Amino acid sequence: NAGVTQTPKFQVLKTGQSMTLQCAQDMNHEYMSWYRQDPGMGLRLIHYSVGAGITDQGEVPNGYNVSRSTTEDFPLRLLSAAPSQTSVYFCASSYWNRDTEAFFGQGTRLTVV
Amino acid sequence: AQTVTQSQPEMSVQEAETVTLSCTYDTSESNYYLFWYKQPPSRQMILVIRQEAYKQQNATENRFSVNFQKAAKSFSLKISDSQLGDTAMYFCASCKIQGAQKLVFGQGTRLTINP
Repeated sequence: NAGVTQTPKFQVLKTGQSMTLQCAQDMNHEYMSWYRQDPGMGLRLIHYSVGAGITDQGEVPNGYNVSRSTTEDFPLRLLSAAPSQTSVYFCASSYWNRDTEAFFGQGTRLTVV
Repeated sequence: AQTVTQSQPEMSVQEAETVTLSCTYDTSESNYYLFWYKQPPSRQMILVIRQEAYKQQNATENRFSVNFQKAAKSFSLKISDSQLGDTAMYFCASCKIQGAQKLVFGQGTRLTINP
C-alpha cells in the first residue's frame, strides 16, 4: 500500500507564480486535509474535505484553493505565491467512522522567493 | 475552539534516561482524542500514541506512555529507556471524535537523545 503520496517533495517558486501540490491516497479514506508547518507554530489546518465534492476552510485558508473531484485526490492550489507561503505542507487522510487516526504524506517543502 | 500548548521548545537527555514531554489543551468537546506524533529528520509524521478522553486508563505503547489528567487538561508523554532513534520533533494534537480531518497541533518539542 502506498498510503498518502504527495508530490513534489521540494519546490522553489517565484513570487506571483502558481502551482498545485498533489495529494493522493489509496486507502479509500473519506477525510482528507492539508496542513502547513512553520517553525514554532506546529501544523495548522489549511483546508479539509469530508468526501468527494465537499471542502471547507481550516484555520489558515487565505491564498489557497482546493477541490475534491474523487475520493483519492485532494490537490492544493497556490494561485499567486507569496514569500509568506514558504513552508512545509502536509496532506493527511483518515476514515470518518473508524478509529480516529490521520495518515500523513511525506510533506512538500515549498520556498517562495 | 480547541487549543493545544507545548511549553517546552527543546529538551535534551542522555541515552537510556527517562524523559517527559508536557502538553496542555483546551476544548469544548465532551468527547475527543489526544495524540502524540513524532517527526524525525525524514519529516514523516508518525503516530506514537493515542488516548480517548472517555477512557480513564492511560495509554501505553512499549516504551511510550501518557499521563492523562482530564480535569487539569494535561496530556504528557513519557519515554522510558530513551534511544538515539527517539531524537525527533514531538507534536501533541487533539481532535473531536470522528474529527481526524481537523487536528489541532501544539507548537512541538524538539527532543535530542545524546549518546
